Amino acid sequence: DTGVSQDPRHKITKRGQNVTFRCDPISEHNRLYWYRQTLGQGPEFLTYFQNEAQLEKSRLLSDRFSAERPKGSFSTLEIQRTEQGDSAMYLCASSFLGQVGETQYFGPGTRLLVL
Amino acid sequence: QQQVKQSPQSLIVQKGGISIINCAYENTAFDYFPWYQQFPGKGPALLIAIRPDVSEKKEGRFTISFNKSAKQFSLHIMDSQPGDSATYFCAASLRTSGSRLTFGEGTQLTVNP
Repeated sequence: DTGVSQDPRHKITKRGQNVTFRCDPISEHNRLYWYRQTLGQGPEFLTYFQNEAQLEKSRLLSDRFSAERPKGSFSTLEIQRTEQGDSAMYLCASSFLGQVGETQYFGPGTRLLVL
Repeated sequence: QQQVKQSPQSLIVQKGGISIINCAYENTAFDYFPWYQQFPGKGPALLIAIRPDVSEKKEGRFTISFNKSAKQFSLHIMDSQPGDSATYFCAASLRTSGSRLTFGEGTQLTVNP
């Protein structure tokens, strides 16, 4: 499978716990995006990387959220001190800068439930 | 600030009919307009996309119509099939803003057999 993969697919945690999600992009893609999707809504942009550099963060990304992309390959998104409002689907997408249209390919998402 | 508005919220169509979903955008600098299809429990998948220098793009049963002056674009699904039942999202992006996607609220399409 050469698509975008995300792990875990589902995560249930208690309020106040820390969680970390992983995204493995399509191998030759140099851009990686994180989005958050709540039930019945479209995905909302959180942050993106070009290679290993984090170039933009949405104001939705509070200080409790941190994302990394070491060596410009896989990425992790960590949420510290989770709150019930963090419950959502976290989607990762990748694209190749320079490709016409720069199509973003999405992974299956990690569904987070904070109890 | 909601920059991409999508309608209708839900749509029911008979098999073989035409499904039409509309979107309106605010930022005239947007330069890429994709449509994504999402099935329950899956990530969005690109269906078709258009740039503002063309007014229409067709791929199989899917057509995007683009009206730059009205700041609107729409997705037409011809000969709709039950397998097309999914949630559809329009989106817009701007290359100079890292091509991050701004999505509409989504349309839940149901195609009855």
